[in-house]
Amino acid sequence: DTAVSQTPKYLVTQMGNDKSIKCEQNLGHDTMYWYKQDSKKFLKIMFSYNNKELIINETVPNRFSPKSPDKAHLNLHINSLELGDSAVYFCASSPSGRTYEQYFGPGTRLTVT
Amino acid sequence: AQSVTQLGSHVSVSEGALVLLRCNYSSSVPPYLFWYVQYPNQGLQLLLKYTTGATLVKGINGFEAEFKKSETSFHLTKPSAHMSDAAEYFCALRGGYNKLIFGAGTRLAVHP
Repeated sequence: DTAVSQTPKYLVTQMGNDKSIKCEQNLGHDTMYWYKQDSKKFLKIMFSYNNKELIINETVPNRFSPKSPDKAHLNLHINSLELGDSAVYFCASSPSGRTYEQYFGPGTRLTVT
Repeated sequence: AQSVTQLGSHVSVSEGALVLLRCNYSSSVPPYLFWYVQYPNQGLQLLLKYTTGATLVKGINGFEAEFKKSETSFHLTKPSAHMSDAAEYFCALRGGYNKLIFGAGTRLAVHP
C-alpha cells in the first residue's frame, strides 16, 4: 500500500500550458505539503495545508495554485508553465501533533520544453 | 534566520568504511533536526530525527546521529558502509509552521 502517492510520475509539456499534479495520502494525516526540488537537488517548501486550510504559502508565483478537496488530497495546478518550472515536485504529509515528521511521495518530474 | 549547512556535496567511501556526513544548523529556538535519504528517482525517506531528550539518536539501516548543541551540529554516521547506502542525504531543520528547511544535500558514493 502506497502511503503518499503522486500522479503523474513524469510530466513533459510545452511552455504556456496548464498542468496539474495530484497527491493523495492514505495515512490519515491532517497536514500536507508541496516541495520543489530543483536541478541541483535543493528542496524548498512551496505550500502547506492543514485540514484543507492553507497554512504556508512561500514566495511562489501566482501561477501555482494548490487545491485541497479533502484532507487526504492536495493537488497542485500550474498555469502558463515556464522553462524555470522544470523540477521535481514532492508531496508530503504529516500527522497531527507531529507535523515536523513528514512522509514524502515519490515525486513528479516536470519538464517544460 | 534558520538555516542548514551540509559540508561536502559529495562524499566517497569504501565498502565497510565509516560513513560521516556533516550537518550544521543555525536556529534561535531549540532545534528539531532530521536526516532524510533519497535513492535515485525516489522520494525522501526519514532516516532519523532529534526532537528532545537523548542526543544520540538511532535510525534505520544502521545510521545514527548525534546532536551537539555547543557545536550546532547533527552529523550522520554509520560504522560500516554498504553498497546499498549510495544515495543523496539531506539534513533538515524544523522551521516556522513546522515546515522543513533542508540543507543542500550530500551525495554518498560507496565503492568496492
